[in-house]
Amino acid sequence: EVQLVESGGGLEKPGGSLRLSCVASGITLSDVWMSWVRQAPGKGLEWVGRIRKQAEGVTTDYAEHVKGRFTISRDDSKNTLYLQVNSLKSEDTAVYYCAKYNTARGFDHWGQGTLVTVSS
Amino acid sequence: QSALTQPPSASGSPGQSVTISCTGTSSDVGGYNYVSWYQQYPGKAPKLLIYEVTKRPSGVPDRFSGSKSGNTASLTVSGLQAEDEADYYCTSYARSDNELFGGGTKLTVL
Repeated sequence: EVQLVESGGGLEKPGGSLRLSCVASGITLSDVWMSWVRQAPGKGLEWVGRIRKQAEGVTTDYAEHVKGRFTISRDDSKNTLYLQVNSLKSEDTAVYYCAKYNTARGFDHWGQGTLVTVSS
Repeated sequence: QSALTQPPSASGSPGQSVTISCTGTSSDVGGYNYVSWYQQYPGKAPKLLIYEVTKRPSGVPDRFSGSKSGNTASLTVSGLQAEDEADYYCTSYARSDNELFGGGTKLTVL
């Protein structure tokens, strides 16, 4: 059974940084594509970015609104996905989900999410 | 790129069918057969219902079906049940390796 558990969220000031983690079990992250999706309070889902599997070069893509500020990475020895979020803005306040993903099958497994609140 | 367009709300009585639309452009919905649909209950993570426009993962009831015509994809829920009351989101792969979500539709079972 695939399980994804996010952590690392919390309250951060504008301009600050956080690193979100997503620990996987039941899958080997280096063998799959993974994505981060966020959801602002009371709002819809928003794609943040993706990281391809090892065999495809571990390349990343990002939504335009986070390019240059967010970075997705992976530690294969810990089977853990990361999202480094820098230069935080109030509009980055959201629940951040990691999800197993591929272009054809969409987001087929999700974590429970971790809440990031950006406020002074 | 703009989000895909979904109606903010939809409703139906138990046993009825409801269809939720998801409109994009030729650069996303119309250009690829990579549309998927998700169900989300309040405070919970989304759940995949449909992928590749029409396919259902194992465990998803066949009351849920997907289709596409041109730049608009649709999710139909047949034989509505009380437990179907939730938020529904579409997503599509888009040009330049993007992924777009719809704004979401709140389905109410009357």
